[in-house]
Amino acid sequence: RKEVEQDPGPFNVPEGATVAFNCTYSNSASQSFFWYRQDCRKEPKLLMSVYSSGNEDGRFTAQLNRASQYISLLIRDSKLSDSATYLCVVNNQAGTALIFGKGTTLSVSS
Amino acid sequence: GAVVSQHPSWVICKSGTSVKIECRSLDFQATTMFWYRQFPKQSLMLMATSNEGSKATYEQGVEKDKFLINHASLTLSTLTVTSAHPEDSSFYICSALLSGRGYNEQFFGPGTRLTVL
Repeated sequence: RKEVEQDPGPFNVPEGATVAFNCTYSNSASQSFFWYRQDCRKEPKLLMSVYSSGNEDGRFTAQLNRASQYISLLIRDSKLSDSATYLCVVNNQAGTALIFGKGTTLSVSS
Repeated sequence: GAVVSQHPSWVICKSGTSVKIECRSLDFQATTMFWYRQFPKQSLMLMATSNEGSKATYEQGVEKDKFLINHASLTLSTLTVTSAHPEDSSFYICSALLSGRGYNEQFFGPGTRLTVL
């Protein structure tokens, strides 16, 4: 089992749509969870951290289920500018480095 | 947020040559920096953890003699790809760890695109 697995993409949605990404991780000892955004040929940028209680930042909502080792990201009212690859990220067993998922590509069209 | 730079942003070299990539934290000190590699349509793969003043820790399968890492100061880590070959062509990204009281966040450099002919 891969350390971090994400939904296969790409997701093609119209503006205004709601889209959800899922992610599972294999290391039950992981303590930190994140969603990063990566634009084509650019470095990844932190979108949001993910907390057990769930957290929301504007149109973005992240959820964590430790029992199922499952993380989700919900994007409401999609904008053209949301088009990017979304990376699910957890820390490694030692807690010293980040393990990245392969990413899910989102394409929002008008 | 904190800023991390990389130099060069892209490089093309002949097979057999060595290439040095610099990673700098511009407005904070970073005891720990990380080097990642990303092939097209693949995830970022951690290559090594660079610790200031000590030897780097390499991930399994990464040749330490081929990918030389030096972290000589709290704001600079370098990755040297020695005797580069076409299969080393990739997007190399560094990150620097900003740590505070109960706070840890990695800030990524803009990446270096290496093409080996």
